[in-house]
Amino acid sequence: DTAVSQTPKYLVTQMGNDKSIKCEQNLGHDTMYWYKQDSKKFLKIMFSYNNKELIINETVPNRFSPKSPDKAHLNLHINSLELGDSAVYFCASSQRVLTNEKLFFGSGTQLSVL
Amino acid sequence: DQQVKQNSPSLSVQEGRISILNCDYTNSMFDYFLWYKKYPAEGPTFLISISSIKDKNEDGRFTVFLNKSAKHLSLHIVPSQPGDSAVYFCAASGNTNAGKSTFGDGTTLTVKP
Repeated sequence: DTAVSQTPKYLVTQMGNDKSIKCEQNLGHDTMYWYKQDSKKFLKIMFSYNNKELIINETVPNRFSPKSPDKAHLNLHINSLELGDSAVYFCASSQRVLTNEKLFFGSGTQLSVL
Repeated sequence: DQQVKQNSPSLSVQEGRISILNCDYTNSMFDYFLWYKKYPAEGPTFLISISSIKDKNEDGRFTVFLNKSAKHLSLHIVPSQPGDSAVYFCAASGNTNAGKSTFGDGTTLTVKP
């Protein structure tokens, strides 16, 4: 029973398309995140939501729009995809907001924009 | 400006020997550090952490050492096992970036049988 699950695992699409990545956690955590792992392998935070409320938005282009229908779900919608959006996107959760506690990650979505 | 750096992209050790993975940081406001382990096609999983009020934390075969004056931490794995082969990420956070850990770029550890 996966704690943090995200779909799809792989996403191949053309430039200009719109795509979504879904994430769900069954840990009962209050806070969820989207991280991006770029070609240099650094994991960088994009967004954080606490109980459906946006807490952190790290200067991500407006083409990226997270949506949290409830505290167990955090989806990421990307409009007008660009080549530079190709990366691995990880969803994560933690028990509380704005703390230093450990994160629980999903298995990642490999996005390839052609 | 990468505030957390893992200068060794890869490390290879023999089974049973010690693995030492290093991490350096530049932001003196960081006061909590975590190590994550990542297998291929999986997300990172938490391994061990240390607060800046300590200089050592041990959990079974894994020990993390923190040298605040040098802004350096290391993860020791003793004895190393083939199942430890993975990418290890160091992450740092503090009051100024609570809730948004800053990650290094990882070190790939290979433990040879």
